[in-house]
Amino acid sequence: DIQMTQSPSSLSASVGDRVTITCQASQDISKYLNWYQQKPGKAPKLLIYDASNLEAGVPSRFSGSGSGTDFTFTISSLQPEDIATYYCQQYDDLPYTFGQGTKLEIK
Amino acid sequence: EVQLVESGGGLVQPGRSLRLSCTTSGFTFRDYAMSWVRQAPGKGLEWVSFIRTKPYGGTAEYAASVKGRFTISRDDSKGIAYLQMNSLETEDTAVYYCCRDTPNIVVLPALDSWGQGTLVIVSS
Repeated sequence: DIQMTQSPSSLSASVGDRVTITCQASQDISKYLNWYQQKPGKAPKLLIYDASNLEAGVPSRFSGSGSGTDFTFTISSLQPEDIATYYCQQYDDLPYTFGQGTKLEIK
Repeated sequence: EVQLVESGGGLVQPGRSLRLSCTTSGFTFRDYAMSWVRQAPGKGLEWVSFIRTKPYGGTAEYAASVKGRFTISRDDSKGIAYLQMNSLETEDTAVYYCCRDTPNIVVLPALDSWGQGTLVIVSS
């Protein structure tokens, strides 16, 4: 199975800050990586697919980059409504695997 | 609008069975693979099962933790995916999400739409 190592596990930042989360795959997954946002009591919401493509309707302050084994997710200017847990997920091969999540809080 | 609605969750004793349903609308169900993903209370996300479209054989894949106990199926005429869960264990307690999946990752990403989830509690 492909292991996804996501960091940090938690993050505290101020409104307007630039926030970065990283995800490392245990083997080459090309571009086949999703980033999700999950708010408490809600289903995950797809934000970024194919490592860098913004899902329709998602604000442009969210972005993703990377390929192969190393990936980055960025919020360019943190907003209060961005408080959530974020997950990366590879779909290069089954079983699909997720990072352990990054809980984002407002400082 | 793509919609996926799970049903069938509830409280069940260890060793018993439960069948989850995922009723879909807003897209051509037969053109998409489907997956189930679960989340134990306070924990992360775990992929559970996947079923291909008929042109790709309609075959299924399972996580090691559920293989031999769970069975995924689909009814393309009704737009419904199912997850039959047998020999349930306390470790199966989780919210179960139904997800639209891709028949081909080169064309479409996986898990692009999720239902709201249904809670399964396995306890005596």
